[in-house]
Amino acid sequence: AQSVTQPDIHITVSEGASLELRCNYSYGATPYLFWYVQSPGQGLQLLLKYFSGDTLVQGIKGFEAEFKRSQSSFNLRKPSVHWSDAAEYFCAVDGRTGGGNKLTFGTGTQLKVEL
Amino acid sequence: DAGVTQSPTHLIKTRGQQVTLRCSPKSGHDTVSWYQQALGQGPQFIFQYYEEEERQRGNFPDRFSGHQFPNYSSELNVNALLLGDSALYLCASSGPGTSGRRGETQYFGPGTRLLVL
Repeated sequence: AQSVTQPDIHITVSEGASLELRCNYSYGATPYLFWYVQSPGQGLQLLLKYFSGDTLVQGIKGFEAEFKRSQSSFNLRKPSVHWSDAAEYFCAVDGRTGGGNKLTFGTGTQLKVEL
Repeated sequence: DAGVTQSPTHLIKTRGQQVTLRCSPKSGHDTVSWYQQALGQGPQFIFQYYEEEERQRGNFPDRFSGHQFPNYSSELNVNALLLGDSALYLCASSGPGTSGRRGETQYFGPGTRLLVL
């Protein structure tokens, strides 16, 4: 069975500081991994995704994530956080079973940005 | 290019009632998935529809059912509502990926917030 763990429920950073959000996954085969962001009262917006190839992937809004198979991790990073980045961030794994696919999400990390 | 749309945005029902939520996928997409997001939790997969058939289902009771129409839009029906069904219901659509593999990236709508009293 696939699963995703986001160890940090809440993180607070100062504007301009760097950010790293942790994600660990469990999946038997090569995973397809995603990071989504959710602003209050909104749906999910895709930040970036990893399918194969280069293990460092670039996304929107200056975010990047690195896939590390040996650590079963897919951590999200940003060099300099902006106040508008305050939101909830979800890591997800795409489990391919049979003819369909489903996303399994972590419980999310709430990011607060101090000005 | 219209994204995924959902209706209604908010809904209040009482226990035991039935509810229908609607979703129109992003243009060019033919697969629709539904997720339930309880307060403070990550989304949980309910089921996925493709070619008007349920292709995969998560761990939800039969009270949760769905339908996909020929134009790829979809409905989620929940019968005999329980207080625990209060949540944000998210619809996601996906289409043929550039590598030819289906459903690689799912794009989410804004959700329908259901409150059961």
